[in-house]
Amino acid sequence: QVQLVQSGAEVKKPGASVKVSCKASGYTFPTYDINWVRQATGQGLEWMGWMNPSSGNAAYAQKFQGRVTMTRNTSIRTAYMELSSLRSEDTAVYYCARRVGAPSAFDIWGQGTLVTVSS
Amino acid sequence: QSALTQPASVSGSPGQSITISCTGTSSDVGGYNYVSWYQQHPGKAPKLIIYEVTNRPSGVSNRFSGSKSGNTASLTISGLQSEDEADYYCNSYTSSTTLVVFGGGTKLTVL
Repeated sequence: QVQLVQSGAEVKKPGASVKVSCKASGYTFPTYDINWVRQATGQGLEWMGWMNPSSGNAAYAQKFQGRVTMTRNTSIRTAYMELSSLRSEDTAVYYCARRVGAPSAFDIWGQGTLVTVSS
Repeated sequence: QSALTQPASVSGSPGQSITISCTGTSSDVGGYNYVSWYQQHPGKAPKLIIYEVTNRPSGVSNRFSGSKSGNTASLTISGLQSEDEADYYCNSYTSSTTLVVFGGGTKLTVL
């Protein structure tokens, strides 16, 4: 079936980087943009950016410009989100999500990856 | 502070209807028919229930409906059921550099 499966939980120290993976199955990977959305505990959803798996082009929310990089490896149908210079406020569950049609419509979501930033 | 404004909470009894609002500006909600709604149960990933203001994905109950007037979009849930108790989020495309903005979320309690 169509699904996105993410990598496991991570614990990082302040200042470090984290790279989360998102493996697609059940559909043609290059056809749909992959978005990344995060959610701090007890908080709302925050859009981080999107990446076109076919071209590799990406666009990021201004808040994360310079700290986030979204890439992909089409041979293994996997998208990646790397966030650098981590701080405690980056502790959150990070989701990848497939965009369908409209720019803000995300129909398939990964299960989420908890990233904890702590000294 | 979220870019789109939603009420923090709403409640209703089984069988009733409720409406959740999502207020933005002419740069997002009011400027494009690109509003989506998501349902999120505790510990789960969000689920798309409405896209492009009024459209329901396949498999989503027709008890969920969306609309928009000016800078405010709305999600209506009719015939409330206990399983509807969840958090609901709107989002929209925006012409700002942020590109996609979410509302702060609304907690629905079924009494």
